[in-house]
Amino acid sequence: NAGVTQTPKFRVLKTGQSMTLLCAQDMNHEYMYWYRQDPGMGLRLIHYSVGEGTTAKGEVPDGYNVSRLKKQNFLLGLESAAPSQTSVYFCASSYPLTSGINYWYEQYFGPGTRLTVT
Amino acid sequence: GENVEQHPSTLSVQEGDSAVIKCTYSDSASNYFPWYKQELGKGPQLIIDIRSNVGEKKDQRIAVTLNKTAKHFSLHITETQPEDSAVYFCAATHSGYSTLTFGKGTMLLVSP
Repeated sequence: NAGVTQTPKFRVLKTGQSMTLLCAQDMNHEYMYWYRQDPGMGLRLIHYSVGEGTTAKGEVPDGYNVSRLKKQNFLLGLESAAPSQTSVYFCASSYPLTSGINYWYEQYFGPGTRLTVT
Repeated sequence: GENVEQHPSTLSVQEGDSAVIKCTYSDSASNYFPWYKQELGKGPQLIIDIRSNVGEKKDQRIAVTLNKTAKHFSLHITETQPEDSAVYFCAATHSGYSTLTFGKGTMLLVSP
């Protein structure tokens, strides 16, 4: 299994350009996430999906859109890139761990996409 | 919502020493606390987690402790090795929630 893969690995954009980041997972996970990682800021959730055809906003959703047309894929779009969106973007997927009546979601991360907006 | 504070932001140790990273959380309902290790140029990888029904969990050289009363949990690495050098993230959530709240990370440097 490849796990979680991300395309592309690196990208440089000019301000105002658009692009789509692709995340794919082969673990049949229902849940998928997009994070951004900036120095000193940790991992911040952009958007997530609890299943095919569903999306929800995370902590920092402004300037991004997402789509989950297929269970295995989660796309992150930047319609008009800004320098503030220069970051490393990580995708993750998860499945529930159950213990009695409780359940939690163990997340598996992809290798990341380094995006620079000039 | 949940807020997770992580300290220290950087930690330098000599090979063979122990390292301790501490996190505090704000939501008393949180009951799942995973730790992730991120090596340079890679995505975070889950290394250990603890649930609120136990106070300590060990896996070889790493252990995590949880103090629910004080709302803090810690990662302990014994006999550190250069390959332990990485950024470590703590996180918290509670049962049924599909999202995690992460701390800002600790860069651990282990010198030979």
